[in-house]
Amino acid sequence: AQSVTQPDIHITVSEGASLELRCNYSYGATPYLFWYVQSPGQGLQLLLKYFSGDTLVQGIKGFEAEFKRSQSSFNLRKPSVHWSDAAEYFCAVGSPSQAGTALIFGKGTTLSVSS
Amino acid sequence: EPEVTQTPSHQVTQMGQEVILRCVPISNHLYFYWYRQILGQKVEFLVSFYNNEISEKSEIFDDQFSVERPDGSNFTLKIRSTKLEDSAMYFCASRLLAGGINEQFFGPGTRLTVL
Repeated sequence: AQSVTQPDIHITVSEGASLELRCNYSYGATPYLFWYVQSPGQGLQLLLKYFSGDTLVQGIKGFEAEFKRSQSSFNLRKPSVHWSDAAEYFCAVGSPSQAGTALIFGKGTTLSVSS
Repeated sequence: EPEVTQTPSHQVTQMGQEVILRCVPISNHLYFYWYRQILGQKVEFLVSFYNNEISEKSEIFDDQFSVERPDGSNFTLKIRSTKLEDSAMYFCASRLLAGGINEQFFGPGTRLTVL
């Protein structure tokens, strides 16, 4: 079955420290991969996406993610976290072969930033 | 910057009542979606809509649910007779193209509370 796993429900990071949020997926083929962020009271904002090509993708707000086919992973990273990064982060996958297909989301990881 | 909007932000209703959640997708987008997130659980796909008809729906989207694009700008989700388990955050999303590489843009969500 297709699924997305985000093993960490809640992570706390000190401001200025590095961050890595994990995402693993189970899918029949290499899917399209996304990271979304949700701040309180806001919608889901796209951070970055991977469709093909370079496996290290850059996104907004200084985030990057690396696709590792052998590990079925698409981990999100940021070298130096800011207090404004506190939010909920969702990894999602979509079909590369079916137009308009729904996204499959992970449960999300809540990021807290301590000063 | 164009964005998806949703109204209301919070809806409280009694069990058995009908609710209509409203969304205004980005104006030139062609694909529309509803997702929901029960508190503490994953964001789950409900339905996609293209060319004035349902394109895809999940098991969750039973006969109690319906979608409509009544006037060329709004996209609505109706729940005919709400149940306690319908309490969730409902997200609307839209996408520019039917095919190709493009992402879904999400609205801020409507929190539905069924009492």
